[in-house]
Amino acid sequence: AQKVTQAQTEISVVEKEDVTLDCVYETRDTTYYLFWYKQPPSGELVFLIRRNSFDEQNEISGRYSWNFQKSTSSFNFTITASQVVDSAVYFCALPRSGNTPLVFGKGTRLSVIA
Amino acid sequence: DARVTQTPRHKVTEMGQEVTMRCQPILGHNTVFWYRQTMMQGLELLAYFRNRAPLDDSGMPKDRFSAEMPDATLATLKIQPSEPRDSAVYFCASGDFGQPQHFGDGTRLSIL
Repeated sequence: AQKVTQAQTEISVVEKEDVTLDCVYETRDTTYYLFWYKQPPSGELVFLIRRNSFDEQNEISGRYSWNFQKSTSSFNFTITASQVVDSAVYFCALPRSGNTPLVFGKGTRLSVIA
Repeated sequence: DARVTQTPRHKVTEMGQEVTMRCQPILGHNTVFWYRQTMMQGLELLAYFRNRAPLDDSGMPKDRFSAEMPDATLATLKIQPSEPRDSAVYFCASGDFGQPQHFGDGTRLSIL
């Protein structure tokens, strides 16, 4: 069965610091997708990124970057020069297969202090 | 931008009352999901539909929860009778094969 582990329950950083959120997953599928979602204090779930397992290139989007390593089953998320608006709970997720329900990690609550 | 629309955003009601939550998925998405978020369990699947057919509702307490898709633009989740332990945020999401799931803003439900 799919499993997603986000070992960091809460992280607190000072504004402008870099921060990395860890995600480790388990799957028996040979190809799969991985996702990150953001849940700000207002409560909605915002899609951040989808990564296909056969594309191991790191991805960068502005201050956000993702490091996917199939060998260690990890899909870590780094925010560079964090800002107060980055304060949220971040979820890593893995579908059961294809377009099927997501299995979520427990989330990491990030607090960025001014 | 296309969005998943959920109503109501908030619902407070007394134990034993019927609760109906509605979801309008993104037009063209063939799969609709209902998730529930609680502090204890996190985000967990309740049910999902593909092309309006229910595929899995094993996450729902069958005696009190029901999920339907009367048409392609509407999904409903009903609780009857409601109990305090049903208090949670209920999210609807929609997606298409190979595409990310997009979530509605959720219904925050409080059962007194």
